[in-house]
This record gives sequence, C-alpha cells and structure tokens, in this order.
Amino acid sequence: KQEVTQIPAALSVPEGENLVLNCSFTDSAIYNLQWFRQDPGKGLTSLLLIQSSQREQTSGRLNASLDKSSGRSTLYIAASQPGDSATYLCAVFGGKLQFGAGTQVVVTP
Amino acid sequence: GAVVSQHPSRVICKSGTSVKIECRSLDFQATTMFWYRQFPKQSLMLMATSNEGSKATYEQGVEKDKFLINHASLTLSTLTVTSAHPEDSSFYICSAGTDAYEQYFGPGTRLTVT
Repeated sequence: KQEVTQIPAALSVPEGENLVLNCSFTDSAIYNLQWFRQDPGKGLTSLLLIQSSQREQTSGRLNASLDKSSGRSTLYIAASQPGDSATYLCAVFGGKLQFGAGTQVVVTP
Repeated sequence: GAVVSQHPSRVICKSGTSVKIECRSLDFQATTMFWYRQFPKQSLMLMATSNEGSKATYEQGVEKDKFLINHASLTLSTLTVTSAHPEDSSFYICSAGTDAYEQYFGPGTRLTVT
C-alpha cells in the first residue's frame, strides 16, 4: 500500500529565504509525482508535475526533484515571498493519486 | 484551459437532509472525474472514480448508498450526500481529466451539517 509522507508538517521562514519541502513515498512504482499548492479553504493549484522518467522540473522560482528509487521528492522555492504562504501537497500517481498531508508554509515579511 | 468548477462553494444543511454537489469541466470533455474528501490538516482521500455513462467505482470504506455519484455527461458529475450527519461535514474536492494521469481540480465545496 502506497504511503506518502511530508516533513515537516509546518514551516515558518523569513522573506527571502529559500524553502525546501520534502516528500517521501513507499512504493516506487509510480507514473508521476505532482506538487500542489492549497490556500486556506480553497482547491488545489498544480505547481509541477514530474514524470517517472524525469529527475526534475522547473517553473520560475520553483524546482522539484524526483528520486524514484529512493522514494523521495523535494520542492525548492527560491527567494520566498509572503505570497508563497500556503499548504503544499505532494501526490504520487500509481493508478490513482495518493496525497501526503501537506506542509503548511508561512513566510513572514 | 482545463478549468473545473464546483457548485456550491459552501453549503450548510440540517442533519438528515440530502445535499448535491456539482462538478463541471468548463472547457474540455472529462471522461473521468474523481471525488475526494479532505479533513482539516489531513491529506485528500479519494472517495470514488466515475466514468461518463457508467457506475462509479468507490474506494474501500466509502458507503455507496450515502455518497451517490452520477456522471451523466462528459462535463458534469454530481455527488449527493444522502441523509447527511455532522460527521459528513468536510471539504469535498472533485477533479476531472481525459485520463487519470493528469487531473484538474475544482475549487472545493465546504459542507457543514448541523
């Protein structure tokens, strides 16, 4: 059974610092991994999708890496801004999407 | 492109009544739609997968008779919570896609049962 874990559960950083969010999964037989952003009381915004054959994806200040063999993905957010405050979810697809519980990020001005 | 809407965004209902939540794909035809449930500070849990014109496939532990799913067209799926109780209060999110590999998520519906 696939289990997705995100550590830490919460993170607070001053503006300008780089953010490093971790996601681990127990079954490496996945098709892809996706990172989402969720604002309070809102739905999900897809940030990056990494196919199982890829090692990383980049979009602007965001970079996500995938090490399928070790069951890990890391989301880097460079030069954090207060607007980056949100909950970040990772999800793996291996037949169905399975989500981690998320990392709640607060970026203080 | 790939916009998914949900209606209503918030609903409050009394215990014992039923409530219907709609999920629409606005600019594409979704052969598959998914319904998730999210408890506070917890991950999204897949409830069921629905394909247009066929019966929904429910995840283990999800009551089929309580959570009725209809996917009557390629742009609309509905989730009806029947005889709702306070423990059904949650955030319900749908997603839609042409396949399961890439899903587009709706904004969610906050259900409160009093």
